[in-house]
Amino acid sequence: SAVISQKPSRDICQRGTSLTIQCQVDSQVTMMFWYRQQPGQSLTLIATANQGSEATYESGFVIDKFPISRPNLTFSTLTVSNMSPEDSSIYLCSFSGESYNEQFFGPGTRLTVL
Amino acid sequence: GQNIDQPTEMTATEGAIVQINCTYQTSGFNGLFWYQQHAGEAPTFLSYNVLDGLEEKGRFSSFLSRSKGYSYLLLKELQMKDSASYLCAVPTGGSYIPTFGRGTSLIVHP
Repeated sequence: SAVISQKPSRDICQRGTSLTIQCQVDSQVTMMFWYRQQPGQSLTLIATANQGSEATYESGFVIDKFPISRPNLTFSTLTVSNMSPEDSSIYLCSFSGESYNEQFFGPGTRLTVL
Repeated sequence: GQNIDQPTEMTATEGAIVQINCTYQTSGFNGLFWYQQHAGEAPTFLSYNVLDGLEEKGRFSSFLSRSKGYSYLLLKELQMKDSASYLCAVPTGGSYIPTFGRGTSLIVHP
């Protein structure tokens, strides 16, 4: 199966700043996704990153707060903008196989906002 | 996910068998996933069920009943390394993208 990596693996940021998380897959994939996992919680889908078009956001998430880029079929970025302590979470990128019967996750980015 | 229900925590003894249940509600069923997540790590895929019945994969098996909106993950010959969170996930509303339950934290003790 494809290898998926993220960077940074963790960061500590100040309130009001922004952080861009990168996700790289070692083969071309059609669907890429960004999830958030807050402490002690399960995964919540933020958005689907579409290649060549704007991302599709889930209810409660907006482009101004979480801008996403998907310049090609192997790479995506998620920016957490104007951060507050409530944004402290693990952010994971993910992709699906062509038949959607398997989903793979990156190692996650652990973000702490002070 | 608000439409997926699984127990919060379970404990079991090394070498035993444990069954983790998951109930769900969705329109347009497109399969059910089970993931394992160790503390501080990303989820790893365990199984995908789209048809009723039991699917066995080594020490882990997953069962699905679509008419009952019910699944379980069965772990046999438990090992200490099986201590982890087990996430049930179902694409909802006709989507193919899974919505995750809150997860069941399994603690295996000697």
